[in-house]
Amino acid sequence: NAGVTQTPKFQVLKTGQSMTLQCAQDMNHNSMYWYRQDPGMGLRLIYYSASEGTTDKGEVPNGYNVSRLNKREFSLRLESAAPSQTSVYFCASDTGGLNSPLHFGNGTRLTVT
Amino acid sequence: GDSVTQMEGPVTLSEEAFLTINCTYTATGYPSLFWYVQYPGEGLQLLLKATKADDKGSNKGFEATYRKETTSFHLEKGSVQVSDSAVYFCALSNSNSGYALNFGKGTSLLVTP
Repeated sequence: NAGVTQTPKFQVLKTGQSMTLQCAQDMNHNSMYWYRQDPGMGLRLIYYSASEGTTDKGEVPNGYNVSRLNKREFSLRLESAAPSQTSVYFCASDTGGLNSPLHFGNGTRLTVT
Repeated sequence: GDSVTQMEGPVTLSEEAFLTINCTYTATGYPSLFWYVQYPGEGLQLLLKATKADDKGSNKGFEATYRKETTSFHLEKGSVQVSDSAVYFCALSNSNSGYALNFGKGTSLLVTP
């Protein structure tokens, strides 16, 4: 049982380049999330998808776009990377609802130079 | 809006010491409360949760009690081990935020032999 799988694990971009972070879950979860983790800032929600076909902005959506491709997959796109987007990105999923625990991937460490 | 405040780390303890990591929250309504743990190089994983006032969550020797009167959910363990060294995150889930988890900034714990 793979759980939540993120690719790539590491990425270095130059300012202005674009890339897509991929995420897939095999737990038949309804909801999926993208967080970024920065030192001293904890985890901040970028975007989430409560169910297939819907996406909503989180706390820090600027500079990002997302696609809920199907129930399993939720991708995060940086159209024009900036040094401020250097971070560790985590994808997560759950069944949805108040008490549902999140299942996290192992993260993507992104550096923008 | 909702928010979670954790004590700042790092916290350094000797093996078998007593651990408390403070967490307080601000939220409307009746949120659910969680503690997540992140080991080096990994994503977060659920440690314990409590879904209503006076509930006690427990797992692996860790405990936390949902105190609505003090809006707190402090994490405790009676005797820590070196293997407990990790970053601990307090979080809440509330219906007014689409159930997406709102995390504290994390508290780093280092347990020395």
